Parts: sequence; C-alpha cells; structure tokens
Amino acid sequence: NAGVTQTPKFRVLKTGQSMTLLCAQDMNHEYMYWYRQDPGMGLRLIHYSVGEGTTAKGEVPDGYNVSRLKKQNFLLGLESAAPSQTSVYFCASTKARAATQYFGPGTRLLVL
Amino acid sequence: GIQVEQSPPDLILQEGANSTLRCNFSDSVNNLQWFHQNPWGQLINLFYIPSGTKQNGRLSATTVATERYSLLYISSSQTTDSGVYFCAVDNYGQNFVFGPGTRLSVLP
Repeated sequence: NAGVTQTPKFRVLKTGQSMTLLCAQDMNHEYMYWYRQDPGMGLRLIHYSVGEGTTAKGEVPDGYNVSRLKKQNFLLGLESAAPSQTSVYFCASTKARAATQYFGPGTRLLVL
Repeated sequence: GIQVEQSPPDLILQEGANSTLRCNFSDSVNNLQWFHQNPWGQLINLFYIPSGTKQNGRLSATTVATERYSLLYISSSQTTDSGVYFCAVDNYGQNFVFGPGTRLSVLP
C-alpha cells in the first residue's frame, strides 16, 4: 500500500514549456486535490476532483488544467509554464469531503 | 471566503517543554484538520477534528466549533516535533483553506 505517490519529484522548466504532474493513490479514494505551496506559506488549492471524470476549480486555478480519467490518477498540467508557477506541488486524496486528507511527497518545480 | 489564522507564527522550545498552538477561523466548518510538515517537506495528518477533543500520544487537539477555534497541544516536546504545523478547514463545500502555519523549533 503506497498511499499517495507523485511523479516527478523535481523538474526544471523553461518559460513557455509544458509538463504534466502525475498523482496516483491506491486507497480507492473518491476525492483528489492539487495544491501549491510557496515559500513561507500554507497550501493553496488549485483544482480538485470529487470522482472519476469530474474536476473543479479551487482557489488558484489559472494557468493549470487537470484530468481524472481514472479513479486512482489525477493529472495536473501546465500548458505554458511561467516563473510565477515555481512552487512545490502537493497532491492529496480523501475518501469523502469531510475526512482525513492524505498527502503525497510533493513535486518541486522550478520555472526559469 | 473563510479566513484562517494561526498563532504564534514562530515558537522556539527547549526539549521537554509543553506548547499550545491556536487556530482561529472566521465561519462555521464541517472539516478541520491539523497537519505537521517536517523539515523535509512531508505533510502528515495529525488530527481530523471538526469538533471535540482527541488525543494521540503526546499530542492532543480540541476544537470549539461554536467559538470558531481549535487548539493543538504538544507535551514533552522532542526535536522530531520541529517543523511547521498547519490548521486547515473546509467550509461546507467551499475550498479547503490552510492557515499560514506555526513554525516550531525544538532545541536539544
């Protein structure tokens, strides 16, 4: 039981490049979330999903897209990376809205 | 949207000391969680506690939902308790909102 995993762990992009971050969970959770954490700050919600095939915007969705084609996977895409998207990205999952969230180890992204 | 405040922002303790961290929120919530982010960045859920009191070893938490605050108690602190403690709340369908955190340093 790996819990929540994220790939890659670290990535460097040039401005304008695109990439996809993968989050996978093996707990059969319905809800999945993508957050970003900037230095010295708490986490901010980018997008979330309440089940396979569904997605919704969070607090800071601009510049990101997501997809939940399979229940166990939640993908975060950056179509045209900007330096302001330099951050640590965390994925989380939970079995219900009002339940414990389990976090992945994070992906550190640097956009030059 | 809902606002979350945490105090103190920074806390330095000697190993063995006790501490209380506070989380205030501006509206009613149906979900409140405490997390510990260790110095390596890993986020660990400590408590799911929208109301009431829970204990887990040296840690305990109390949420008084009617007064819109939650407290995290750490007793007999250890150096491994160092890191940032976050409170996060869900406001009945709104975004899951994190507070700014309390940075704890436990000195040997």
